[in-house]
Amino acid sequence: KNEVEQSPQNLTAQEGEFITINCSYSVGISALHWLQQHPGGGIVSLFMLSSGKKKHGRLIATINIQEKHSSLHITASHPRDSAVYICAVDAGTASKLTFGTGTRLQVTL
Amino acid sequence: DSGVTQTPKHLITATGQRVTLRCSPRSGDLSVYWYQQSLDQGLQFLIQYYNGEERAKGNILERFSAQQFPDLHSELNLSSLELGDSALYFCASRGTSDEQFFGPGTRLTVL
Repeated sequence: KNEVEQSPQNLTAQEGEFITINCSYSVGISALHWLQQHPGGGIVSLFMLSSGKKKHGRLIATINIQEKHSSLHITASHPRDSAVYICAVDAGTASKLTFGTGTRLQVTL
Repeated sequence: DSGVTQTPKHLITATGQRVTLRCSPRSGDLSVYWYQQSLDQGLQFLIQYYNGEERAKGNILERFSAQQFPDLHSELNLSSLELGDSALYFCASRGTSDEQFFGPGTRLTVL
């Protein structure tokens, strides 16, 4: 079993829909990261959180440390949100990251 | 733009060869991480350097090595290349917070 599990693996949504991507992990962590990878390959850090909730524009990330679970929400989704979203955990050992397998999101008009 | 640069962007080489990938961290960042992204294994941590010293090692093969120089840039050396080494190689730098900033990656193709 992977230390970091994401669901769903693939997600197709229509423009304007509310999207949720889930991440569960099995180890103690000091922080959890949500990353975005566009088809060109580059990786962008969206959020780093260790408790509670963070919001940037239409993106919201939450984490429940007791349940070892995090969610990434996208409100009013748009085709430019189409990307792979990757959850990664920092178990506190030199801050090296362990990654989930990613969720491929496609938002259509 | 994350402020992290990687060269080259693409690299095509043959089995058995040796290549060097280069990474320059964000100005002032002392930590550099190397990650490999392959189709079958996903993203995996390879190695971390902090201010010139190796700090942590992950799933890095013995054929691979890295170093960080006094100007804080880092190089990842891959030798005796095999087809399975074809992947995207990312470096990331970390400053005083724990957030990591990723470079654009080097796409390595081994033929």
